[in-house]
Amino acid sequence: EADIYQTPRYLVIGTGKKITLECSQTMGHDKMYWYQQDPGMELHLIHYSYGVNSTEKGDLSSESTVSRIRTEHFPLTLESARPSHTSQYLCASSEYGRGGRGTQYFGPGTRLTVL
Amino acid sequence: QKEVEQNSGPLSVPEGAIASLNCTYSDRGSQSFFWYRQYSGKSPELIMFIYSNGDKEDGRFTAQLNKASQYVSLLIRDSQPSDSATYLCAVTGGPFGNEKLTFGTGTRLTIIP
Repeated sequence: EADIYQTPRYLVIGTGKKITLECSQTMGHDKMYWYQQDPGMELHLIHYSYGVNSTEKGDLSSESTVSRIRTEHFPLTLESARPSHTSQYLCASSEYGRGGRGTQYFGPGTRLTVL
Repeated sequence: QKEVEQNSGPLSVPEGAIASLNCTYSDRGSQSFFWYRQYSGKSPELIMFIYSNGDKEDGRFTAQLNKASQYVSLLIRDSQPSDSATYLCAVTGGPFGNEKLTFGTGTRLTIIP
């Protein structure tokens, strides 16, 4: 069973606020990811990290930023939330390696609503 | 052309029948293939992975991989209403296994009681 946690699970916030979505994993995985997913739509990779002090932008352009100061922690920050940021944000982690070791394990997600 | 293609569905299957979900991919260098299940409003959960040509069985689920045809499928035997969900195919490749996972758009499966 995957041990990856996201907080908060639900967040309703006003336009212009700064928010940080937390993601932590206890599996010692080097690789971590953030995805954005609207209801009934596909997953979009917005950020990923292959280790401490390593972060890259994903396939979908996002105004959010991430940091990776500790292996287990990969927070996502929005400096000024807008209604267009309303979505579900999913964090995932995986080991390095081929085959099943590349399996990504997902956290429960944060559902963000910006009013 | 998307790198990983799935029929979006919805695919409707009677309870007890076999559900067949298909996925094609464009990168011939792809080496590992994953099937995830996602219930509405929930996060994806791994069903199984496969990286060798042929079949791999796990309970009611069988993954089939044909690298020559760039095709991977998932069969669900004795379909149950609890199998109703969106099924995501994901592919990764390269010699070191450190490439990103590319997800398909998913196939929505409905099991009819």
